[in-house]
Amino acid sequence: EDKVVQSPLSLVVHEGDTVTLNCSYEVTNFRSLLWYKQEKKAPTFLFMLTSSGIEKKSGRLSSILDKKELFSILNITATQTGDSAVYLCAVEALGDYKLSFGAGTTVTVRA
Amino acid sequence: GAVVSQHPSRVICKSGTSVKIECRSLDFQATTMFWYRQFPKQSLMLMATSNEGSKATYEQGVEKDKFLINHASLTLSTLTVTSAHPEDSSFYICSARGIDILNEKLFFGSGTQLSVL
Repeated sequence: EDKVVQSPLSLVVHEGDTVTLNCSYEVTNFRSLLWYKQEKKAPTFLFMLTSSGIEKKSGRLSSILDKKELFSILNITATQTGDSAVYLCAVEALGDYKLSFGAGTTVTVRA
Repeated sequence: GAVVSQHPSRVICKSGTSVKIECRSLDFQATTMFWYRQFPKQSLMLMATSNEGSKATYEQGVEKDKFLINHASLTLSTLTVTSAHPEDSSFYICSARGIDILNEKLFFGSGTQLSVL
């Protein structure tokens, strides 16, 4: 069974801090790892990672995948209160496109 | 970008009634749609995979007779919670994958909060 473990489960930071979120996984026939941000409703897509060592960047967010060690990290620099959300990591297996989600990391950014 | 519309956004119903949730892909054809359930402070759990024109594939532990899924067209999938009970109260969310989308990512609906009294 596919397994996705995120850490920490939650954290509280102050505006301007940098946060690093972790995601480790076990999946048969790995296809991709995805990061989502969930505020109140639907998750919004952040990144899709398929290759090791290639950093993906979008503004203050960046992410990288290590397929040898089976983990990914999501970094948020210069955090703002609008970054407060649950960040979900998911892995996708080849063939069926199903996503297995981790439990998420709740990030709270205080002004 | 691609949009997935989900309705209703919130339902409150009495125990024993059935509730239908719709998921539509608005600007692309969705060959595959996924239905997830999310309990408070927990992650999304896949319930079933719905392919257009064929029967849905349910995950282990999900009752197919209780959660009826219909994917009658390339733009619409429905989830019907039959004879809902309080323990079915949850956030239900669909996602869709399209055949014409070059960008490799799933698109999520806005979710439906179901409360069964």
